[in-house]
Amino acid sequence: DAKTTQPNSMESNEEEPVHLPCNHSTISGTDYIHWYRQLPSQGPEYVIHGLTSNVNNRMASLAIAEDRKSSTLILHRATLRDAAVYYCILRDEGVSTGNQFYFGTGTSLTVIP
Amino acid sequence: DAMVIQNPRYQVTQFGKPVTLSCSQTLNHNVMYWYQQKSSQAPKLLFHYYDKDFNNEADTPDNFQSRRPNTSFCFLDIRSPGLGDAAMYLCATSRDRGRVTDTQYFGPGTRLTVL
Repeated sequence: DAKTTQPNSMESNEEEPVHLPCNHSTISGTDYIHWYRQLPSQGPEYVIHGLTSNVNNRMASLAIAEDRKSSTLILHRATLRDAAVYYCILRDEGVSTGNQFYFGTGTSLTVIP
Repeated sequence: DAMVIQNPRYQVTQFGKPVTLSCSQTLNHNVMYWYQQKSSQAPKLLFHYYDKDFNNEADTPDNFQSRRPNTSFCFLDIRSPGLGDAAMYLCATSRDRGRVTDTQYFGPGTRLTVL
């Protein structure tokens, strides 16, 4: 799987938007971009995924650069419950065995009241 | 609610004493995974089961074994725990494998302490 690069940590004020960047310059044409987050003392949970087009769901939005070498997870209004480590993960559609996730280092998001 | 359950949440064992961690799921998913997460690090995949087919990661030590007696349950056995095996162990499931859009569902983890 291609590797991802994320900032180690970010801060945001409560109720403000947060943009979490991810660089994946070696992404292949068949790699899907997944985001998971891990709240303190919990297992990771799914946030969103996409391939080429921007994606929205109830939790977040995913903006994918036109060349797909980077993406940004957008939390529209950060709450204290959004404080977590956010992982950007690439999954290759061409890999036929397993659905393994190889986590990068992730971004630790602090939300300031 | 359907979920992934891990017991116990906290486990203490002695150096060299075998320990078993358990995971159960009510999602009826075909694939179950075990990850190891050390302090301030990202989860690292140890192995996964696709139905009864066991798939080990190349760098998983032989000290770690797994059993899946049925669809719902999966166990992680650490034969001779060392101090370096102290970590959070996460169980996860997915409906199928080879489908990159499938979501993985994680349990809350078991925190293992080795004395």
